[in-house]
Amino acid sequence: DADVTQTPRNRITKTGKRIMLECSQTKGHDRMYWYRQDPGLGLQLIYYSFDVKDINKGEISDGYSVSRQAQAKFSLSLESAIPNQTALYFCATSDATGGNEQFFGPGTRLTVL
Amino acid sequence: QQQVKQSPQSLIVQKGGISIINCAYENTAFDYFPWYQQFPGKGPALLIAIRPDVSEKKEGRFTISFNKSAKQFSLHIMDSQPGDSATYFCAAYNYGQNFVFGPGTRLSVLP
Repeated sequence: DADVTQTPRNRITKTGKRIMLECSQTKGHDRMYWYRQDPGLGLQLIYYSFDVKDINKGEISDGYSVSRQAQAKFSLSLESAIPNQTALYFCATSDATGGNEQFFGPGTRLTVL
Repeated sequence: QQQVKQSPQSLIVQKGGISIINCAYENTAFDYFPWYQQFPGKGPALLIAIRPDVSEKKEGRFTISFNKSAKQFSLHIMDSQPGDSATYFCAAYNYGQNFVFGPGTRLSVLP
């Protein structure tokens, strides 16, 4: 079984709709991240959380919000989706004590029409 | 200062050749430099990483060369194979902050 799972894997939605992307992990890591990937831009950090009570904005948080429901779950919401939020979204985890490696989920491809 | 530059954007190499991808950074506080490999439809996965106290790290066919004074580091893939065809991201990190990723290099290894 995958250590970091994301649902849905693909989603097509319309402008103005609210959408939630979910991430779950079985690695027992405290730290979780949401990234956005666009061609030629690499991975850009949206939000990150170092524990259940800690939420921090990344470099491109405008238009997004997150919820850390438990150590293992970290959700990303688009309150009112717009076409330029069409991208590939990745969740990642890392262990604060076990080194710096980030473990990525398989990604969610989001299309906003 | 947080930006990590990466080149080339794409690279085509013959099987058995050497693939070289270069990255440069500005922030001297970075102290961990990983390379991630991403196959289509998958999330990135750690390939190899280096800290600035060494100038080179080798794992199998993959080598990181690190030049602290020039603030540059590179990934060398020796004897490149078609299975190495993927997108490669360099990154930089320091404790208390977060990872900064380069824009990626799409590598194609021709059979």
